[in-house]
Amino acid sequence: EPEVTQTPSHQVTQMGQEVILRCVPISNHLYFYWYRQILGQKVEFLVSFYNNEISEKSEIFDDQFSVERPDGSNFTLKIRSTKLEDSAMYFCASTPRAPSEKLFFGSGTQLSVL
Amino acid sequence: GESVGLHLPTLSVQEGDNSIINCAYSNSASDYFIWYKQESGKGPQFIIDIRSNMDKRQGQRVTVLLNKTVKHLSLQIAATQPGDSAVYFCAGGVENSGSARQLTFGSGTQLTVLP
Repeated sequence: EPEVTQTPSHQVTQMGQEVILRCVPISNHLYFYWYRQILGQKVEFLVSFYNNEISEKSEIFDDQFSVERPDGSNFTLKIRSTKLEDSAMYFCASTPRAPSEKLFFGSGTQLSVL
Repeated sequence: GESVGLHLPTLSVQEGDNSIINCAYSNSASDYFIWYKQESGKGPQFIIDIRSNMDKRQGQRVTVLLNKTVKHLSLQIAATQPGDSAVYFCAGGVENSGSARQLTFGSGTQLTVLP
């Protein structure tokens, strides 16, 4: 069964450093997303991406965050200057046709900001 | 705004027993609900979904019940197995809204299956 893949599985960084989280969505899916989950808390929407541009973003997705689809397969989340409170599990997801149908999640990247 | 939550943060059941995990939602406009299973260190995995024109939907060993009157849904797992141990959470929103942002996730119930 096709799946969303994410790399790395764990990322440790110093506060103020830039990180790039990488994702390969399912190949025939059109919508891509980033979510985050702080330990013990709910999954939170960050951003959705369609047709090479951001469709929606949440209040969490401020100017420190950016997304990119640099080629036909990768989808990246960049955090420019990480803060301690950015420590969380970041999930990439994709959907085939529409943004409100069931999401296919990757296994996540655990980001630890020290 | 929408809030989706669960009644119990933890649930322990004996292997072979049935499990029932509950979820409440607040937005009357929500018409699409999904149950996800999240094993430790992994991403959420789709289990089953239900639309508001249905009260019940069955999958393999799982059943979701939707009570729109009290804005409540439940996930029933039959003959619970050790591999069912995970966090289960519901998500709700408006299907065909064109918006992923409005899909709201609950905080999860940790299901532990005892031998």
